[in-house]
Amino acid sequence: AQSVTQPDIHITVSEGASLELRCNYSYGATPYLFWYVQSPGQGLQLLLKYFSGDTLVQGIKGFEAEFKRSQSSFNLRKPSVHWSDAAEYFCAVGLYNQGGKLIFGQGTELSVKP
Amino acid sequence: NASVTQTPKFRILKIGQSMTLQCAQDMNHNYMYWYRQDPGMGLKLIYYSVGAVITDKGEVPNVYNVSRSTTEDFPLRLELAAPSQTSVYFCASTSSGGALREQFFGPGTRLTVL
Repeated sequence: AQSVTQPDIHITVSEGASLELRCNYSYGATPYLFWYVQSPGQGLQLLLKYFSGDTLVQGIKGFEAEFKRSQSSFNLRKPSVHWSDAAEYFCAVGLYNQGGKLIFGQGTELSVKP
Repeated sequence: NASVTQTPKFRILKIGQSMTLQCAQDMNHNYMYWYRQDPGMGLKLIYYSVGAVITDKGEVPNVYNVSRSTTEDFPLRLELAAPSQTSVYFCASTSSGGALREQFFGPGTRLTVL
């Protein structure tokens, strides 16, 4: 069965520090991978996505993610975190043969210290 | 601006009551989805629809119903509410191609069943 695991429920980083959020997936075929961000009380916004090609993908707000097939991972990174990055981050895999439905990880809550 | 709208934003139901959560998108998207988000968890798919007619269940037990008589609207019906349906419900849409496209999310409906 398809699944997505985000091992870290909550991460706290200092403003200006680098960030890496982990995501591991289980999927039999080539995955379509996404990172979404959810600010408090808001819906989800797409940060970036991977379908094929270059395994390092760039997204909005200075985020990037690297797809590593050998590790079944799609970790999200940012070189320097801003206080406005505090939010919940979700990794998801899209199932192309099931109407494009998304299987989400349980999320990682990011807190930013001044 | 193109968007996904959801009404109401908040609702409290008593056990056994019923209600319809409204969702509309103005992007002429073919695919629409309903997810629920429980505290500390990722989103779980309830239903998705491809086109104005086809519907299919996701991975959540069948205590919900949907209809898709127009491309724009995708209402979710809850019958005989139970405390287990307390959650935040998100509607999303995407253009043809399902998993190859970004899903756009509405702001959510927070439902409490007492």
